[in-house]
Amino acid sequence: AQSVTQLDSHVSVSEGTPVLLRCNYSSSYSPSLFWYVQHPNKGLQLLLKYTSAATLVKGINGFEAEFKKSETSFHLTKPSAHMSDAAEYFCVVSGSGNTPLVFGKGTRLSVIA
Amino acid sequence: GAVVSQHPSRVICKSGTSVKIECRSLDFQATTMFWYRQFPKQSLMLMATSNEGSKATYEQGVEKDKFLINHASLTLSTLTVTSAHPEDSSFYICSARFGGRTYEQYFGPGTRLTVT
Repeated sequence: AQSVTQLDSHVSVSEGTPVLLRCNYSSSYSPSLFWYVQHPNKGLQLLLKYTSAATLVKGINGFEAEFKKSETSFHLTKPSAHMSDAAEYFCVVSGSGNTPLVFGKGTRLSVIA
Repeated sequence: GAVVSQHPSRVICKSGTSVKIECRSLDFQATTMFWYRQFPKQSLMLMATSNEGSKATYEQGVEKDKFLINHASLTLSTLTVTSAHPEDSSFYICSARFGGRTYEQYFGPGTRLTVT
């Protein structure tokens, strides 16, 4: 069985400062891991994905995440926050086969001018 | 990238009526489509999984007679909320997936349903 825990329900940063959104996962299989972003009243947009290739994954809009098997973590980072990054972020895990995605509860990112 | 559309984006209906929401994969064939429900400030809750040409698999607690899912083709799935009630008001999101190593899902923009 798969599960994912987003350690912070809300993160607030100042514009131009680094962003860290934390995610820990549990999986019986070699997992695929994703980060999605959702702006208010919008659908989900894929930021990046890990699928057992390089452990440091680069995504869109300057985001990246590092898969650390020993820590069962997949934290999302960005060097410098922009106002447009304010949104809800979901860490998601998928196991093998046709299993559904398992979503974390989400982290709301606020960016202060 | 792969595009998934939903129609309508927003619908208001009266209690007791039925509403159909369409989900289309525009530039790929979706072997599997998923329907999610999202309450305000909460994560997505998987309602059901559907494969083209077969019956949908509903998650525990989801009434299959109330939320009818049809996946008639590899590019279209529909969710019909039957005899809608105000508690069915929510944001409904579909996603589509095609086979491959990543099993990545592509999400639609969502449909805001309000039942009055």
